[in-house]
Amino acid sequence: DAGVIQSPRHEVTEMGQEVTLRCKPISGHDYLFWYRQTMMRGLELLIYFNNNVPIDDSGMPEDRFSAKMPNASFSTLKIQPSEPRDSAVYFCASSAFSRRQPQHFGDGTRLSIL
Amino acid sequence: QQQVKQSPQSLIVQKGGISIINCAYENTAFDYFPWYQQFPGKGPALLIAIRPDVSEKKEGRFTISFNKSAKQFSLHIMDSQPGDSATYFCAAHHGGSQGNLIFGKGTKLSVKP
Repeated sequence: DAGVIQSPRHEVTEMGQEVTLRCKPISGHDYLFWYRQTMMRGLELLIYFNNNVPIDDSGMPEDRFSAKMPNASFSTLKIQPSEPRDSAVYFCASSAFSRRQPQHFGDGTRLSIL
Repeated sequence: QQQVKQSPQSLIVQKGGISIINCAYENTAFDYFPWYQQFPGKGPALLIAIRPDVSEKKEGRFTISFNKSAKQFSLHIMDSQPGDSATYFCAAHHGGSQGNLIFGKGTKLSVKP
């Protein structure tokens, strides 16, 4: 079975550029989560969706960050304009049904903003 | 109140030894406590989970101990192996929310041969 698929795996770009991270959740999962992982702050929830609808975006750090889920099989996280402090590993995860179901993580996108 | 505090930050154990990682929480509305294991370059993966009506859950060499009154839970890895070397995250699910987890900061475990 295909797991959560994220692309790209690595992204290096210059400050001020737009960055788009992509995620394909596991088929049939109706929850999708975006996380950011850094050494200093650990694993932080940015936003999550249920049935393609954003439920809680309180973790999105600034207006420069936006996320969409146009359909059940695709989500994007955009940063515009990007800044060096956005450098981190960004994970997408999905889960089935609702609470207390395991979250299945992708392998992440390592983002470096120069 | 939404935090999950995890310790230690790093842990070195000899092969065959017992690895113990501790977590504490404040919010009594948390109703599900999973542990995730993360290898370098990979996303976290669910290892084992427990609900607060159970004091202990064991799966192979991995055991979660849960103390509801103290609001603490811990992961024990028996007969630790070099292949167990990874970062471990405890987490808690808020019973009133629709699905998100609160993660601890992680413990980097190194098992020496």
